[in-house]
Parts: sequence; structure tokens; C-alpha cells
Amino acid sequence: DTAVSQTPKYLVTQMGNDKSIKCEQNLGHDTMYWYKQDSKKFLKIMFSYNNKELIINETVPNRFSPKSPDKAHLNLHINSLELGDSAVYFCASSQDLPAGYNEQFFGPGTRLTVL
Amino acid sequence: SQKIEQNSEALNIQEGKTATLTCNYTNYSPAYLQWYRQDPGRGPVFLLLIRENEKEKRKERLKVTFDTTLKQSLFHITASQPADSATYLCALDINNNDMRFGAGTRLTVKP
Repeated sequence: DTAVSQTPKYLVTQMGNDKSIKCEQNLGHDTMYWYKQDSKKFLKIMFSYNNKELIINETVPNRFSPKSPDKAHLNLHINSLELGDSAVYFCASSQDLPAGYNEQFFGPGTRLTVL
Repeated sequence: SQKIEQNSEALNIQEGKTATLTCNYTNYSPAYLQWYRQDPGRGPVFLLLIRENEKEKRKERLKVTFDTTLKQSLFHITASQPADSATYLCALDINNNDMRFGAGTRLTVKP
């Protein structure tokens, strides 16, 4: 059983398009995250979501919006894609907060390429 | 400015030796520090967590130390094996919701 799953694994699209990445966790965790890993391999948190409270990293453009239909899902929607959005996006979950005290379970990643 | 630096981008060692990876940070005061392993094309996998009031943590062949005075964590893999080859990431908590990751050290263990 996959603990944290993401779809699609690869996403190639044109600049200006709108796309979504889906994430599901079957661990019963209360907290979910989205991370971006750029070409230099830095992993940067974009959002955390806990008990319907969304915490947004202030550096994330408002073209990015997470949507959580229920506790097990946190999807990422991206509007007006730009070249600089090309990266690998990871979904993760943890039992609860604080983030530092709880191990995070990562999904396999979605490689987004914007042409 | 705030920084998390992992000692080197790449580290090559011989099988059976101890690998030591370094994570240094500046202008942070983490309560927790975590280490993850990442294989190519996959998501990071949690290895160990250490709290600010703990000096050392062990798990099988892994050992982590945390020195809040030096602002440094050391990650050791003893009796290293080729299967230990991967990128290792350290991560600090910034606040309740936010973890900051280092860029990672790519470890290669040669037979």
C-alpha cells in the first residue's frame, strides 16, 4: 500500500496553462504539505495544511492554490504556468504539528516541465 | 542571513568505513533537527529526529549528534555499504509549521 501517492508523476505543459497535481495519503495523518524541489535540489515548503488551517509560505505566488476536499487529500492547482515553475513537487504528510517533531512521509514526486 | 549548509555536495568513501556528514546552520534556533535520505527520482525518507536537548541519537548503524552551541549536527553511518549511497538531507524546524531543508550531501560508498 502506498502511504502518500501523487498523480501525475510527469507533467509537461505550455506556459500560461492551468494544471493540477493530486495527492492522497492513507496514513490517517492530520497534516499535509506541498514542497518544491528545484534544479539545485533545494526542498522548499510551499504550504502546510492542518485541521482545515492553511499556512502559506509568503514567497509562494498566489498562482499556486492548495485545495483539500478532505483530510486525506491535498491537491495543488497552478494557474498561468511560468517557465520558472518547472521543478519536482512533493506532497508529504505527518501525524500532526509541530512539523519538527513529526516525521514526514513524502510522495514520489511530480516532475513538472513548463515549455 | 539564515543558512543551512551541508558540508559538501558529494562525499565518496570506501565500503566498511564510517561516513560523516555535516549540517551547519546560522541564525536559526531549531527545537528539532531531522535527517532524511533521498534516492534519485524518489521522495525523501525519514531517518532520525533529534531534539535540542539531546546530544546524540542512534538507530542501527546510524548516529546523529546535535550541538546547539556550535549550531551543528553530525550524521554518521558506520560500516557503510554501497546500498547506503544516496543524498542525505538535514532539516530544521523554523516554527510550528515550517521545516527548512539543506541542499543535501550526495554520498557514494564504493565497494
